[in-house]
Amino acid sequence: GAGVSQSPRYKVAKRGQDVALRCDPISGHVSLFWYQQALGQGPEFLTYFQNEAQLDKSGLPSDRFFAERPEGSVSTLKIQRTQQEDSAVYLCASSRWAGGNQPQHFGDGTRLSIL
Amino acid sequence: GQQLNQSPQSMFIQEGEDVSMNCTSSSIFNTWLWYKQDPGEGPVLLIALYKAGELTSNGRLTAQFGITRKDSFLNISASIPSDVGIYFCAGFTGANSKLTFGKGITLSVRP
Repeated sequence: GAGVSQSPRYKVAKRGQDVALRCDPISGHVSLFWYQQALGQGPEFLTYFQNEAQLDKSGLPSDRFFAERPEGSVSTLKIQRTQQEDSAVYLCASSRWAGGNQPQHFGDGTRLSIL
Repeated sequence: GQQLNQSPQSMFIQEGEDVSMNCTSSSIFNTWLWYKQDPGEGPVLLIALYKAGELTSNGRLTAQFGITRKDSFLNISASIPSDVGIYFCAGFTGANSKLTFGKGITLSVRP
């Protein structure tokens, strides 16, 4: 497809379960970003990849959060031992080149609900 | 950390009216972006601004990069029902690649 694709669109998990969220960026885009959006808030940065290298993970809220992009295209955000406060929309974005100040193009997100 | 301030949280206008939204920061940003988000979807880029003082249009939308580099505004002219949604300002400081977002303004358009 032409845009950023995320799956699943909705995920419900019980507290303590592990979840994996997938992002397929725009083809050829070097940079990939993950954001967390709580209800009624703007997206907040989690982590950034340039190709397969994770260059910034300063926004990951705890060591239960882990992201990878092993071949420099598809990325997976994994959350271990989920907690209720992890409930949010997780957005993936990509941009064509490396480096700052380029517009980022977003997917429609995965809405995660932890029961 | 840096914060972008958007207020009010909600705006209600009549179809056909113009509306202006402001975004301010206590820190300098070197790029400003405006996004629109519809329910259940991701943010969609409306306008990108790269230079202080820059004024850019995209159809009925006009945005400006403030000369102090600490603010930006978005103007929508002749509003239509499909303008309903949440409008976010976002910016880069230049120190890294992460986008900082405001909390968004929910726009309602009465027919």
